[in-house]
Amino acid sequence: DAGVTQSPTHLIKTRGQQVTLRCSPKSGHDTVSWYQQALGQGPQFIFQYYEEEERQRGNFPDRFSGHQFPNYSSELNVNALLLGDSALYLCASSFRIWRTQYFGPGTRLLVL
Amino acid sequence: SQQGEEDPQALSIQEGENATMNCSYKTSINNLQWYRQNSGRGLVHLILIRSNEREKHSGRLRVTLDTSKKSSSLLITASRAADTASYFCATDDQGGSEKLVFGKGTKLTVIP
Repeated sequence: DAGVTQSPTHLIKTRGQQVTLRCSPKSGHDTVSWYQQALGQGPQFIFQYYEEEERQRGNFPDRFSGHQFPNYSSELNVNALLLGDSALYLCASSFRIWRTQYFGPGTRLLVL
Repeated sequence: SQQGEEDPQALSIQEGENATMNCSYKTSINNLQWYRQNSGRGLVHLILIRSNEREKHSGRLRVTLDTSKKSSSLLITASRAADTASYFCATDDQGGSEKLVFGKGTKLTVIP
């Protein structure tokens, strides 16, 4: 049974560029949440998708957007990258909105 | 902002000893969860304790919850080198929101 998978594992971008991160949820899960984890900090909630709609959003600017596909996979898009966007981006999936969330290995983004 | 705050920030013990980590939070919660993270990769779910529970066990893990003090503790008994990781508590946001709010974590080092 495959767990949550994320791609790519590492990414280097320059300021002003745009990036797309991808997440496939654990089999049987229908809800995907995205988190940003800066170095030495705990994960910060970005947003959550359920039934292809954004259900909740954390305190992140509109530069951060997402999408959920009919197969429940999800994308996180970040536009106009800033140096401060450098972080580990974690995807978590669950069955229905409020169940235990299972995390993927993350995508480490470095913005130069 | 982060709701949970783990204490201590770092903990170093000898293999076989017990490790205790504490978490304090600010608002009323429905559930509190503990996660482990190895070397800045994905988070692994350890245990969930509901607000009406006071203690829960899972293998070598023991979690307590004191809602009157808004605090929780995670005890790892008979620690092993493989327990070396960062440990985070996460609470659900007040008001029925299902997003997880994490603390900054406790970095545990178990010396063989």
